[in-house]
Amino acid sequence: EIVLTQSPGTLSLSPGERATLSCRASQSVTSNYLAWYQQKPGQAPRLLIYGASTRATGISDRFSGSGSGTDFTLTISRLEPEDSAVYYCQQYGKLPWTFGQGTKVEIK
Amino acid sequence: EVQLLESGGGLLQPGGSLRLSCAASGFTFSNYAMSWVRQAPGKGLEWVSAISGSGDNTYYTDSVKGRFSISRDNSRNTLYLQVYSLRAEDTAIYYCAKGYSNNYYGIFDYWGQGTLVTVSS
Repeated sequence: EIVLTQSPGTLSLSPGERATLSCRASQSVTSNYLAWYQQKPGQAPRLLIYGASTRATGISDRFSGSGSGTDFTLTISRLEPEDSAVYYCQQYGKLPWTFGQGTKVEIK
Repeated sequence: EVQLLESGGGLLQPGGSLRLSCAASGFTFSNYAMSWVRQAPGKGLEWVSAISGSGDNTYYTDSVKGRFSISRDNSRNTLYLQVYSLRAEDTAIYYCAKGYSNNYYGIFDYWGQGTLVTVSS
């Protein structure tokens, strides 16, 4: 199984700053089949990015994804208070599909 | 508007069984793969099982193979997860999730609000 390791565990930033979240895979992710989700407390996850860099429908262009192979990044530019959440990466290139352990983004 | 509504969770004893349901609306259900994803209290996400749009193909994570069974009734727009031989480690919120397409099963573009399964004696 592909293990995804996210870093940092927690990111504490001020509104307007840029957040950079990392996701590293234990082996190459097939065809860059890597997605990112946002989960706020008490809510279901929401799809942000798929195919490593394609924004899902209705997602702000402040969210961008990049990377390939084993190293992927989610960038949130110009942080807003509503971006406070846990962010998960997920690979869907090889069964079983797996998630990272999450990065919590706190807005100061 | 896509809606997914799970039901069937509850408090069960170890070794018990139950069936989770997910009622779908707002899209052509039979055209899309569906999955169950779970989240233990305070923990991360774990994909559990998936089924193709026709129901012909099913997939499971290793820890539930032989104990969980995914199925769907396309005439009722409903997804199911039959769970047997429950263990304490199965305690979680179980989410129903829609696949982005029948070719990209593993992208989950819509999620239900989840149903809580608690396994405890």
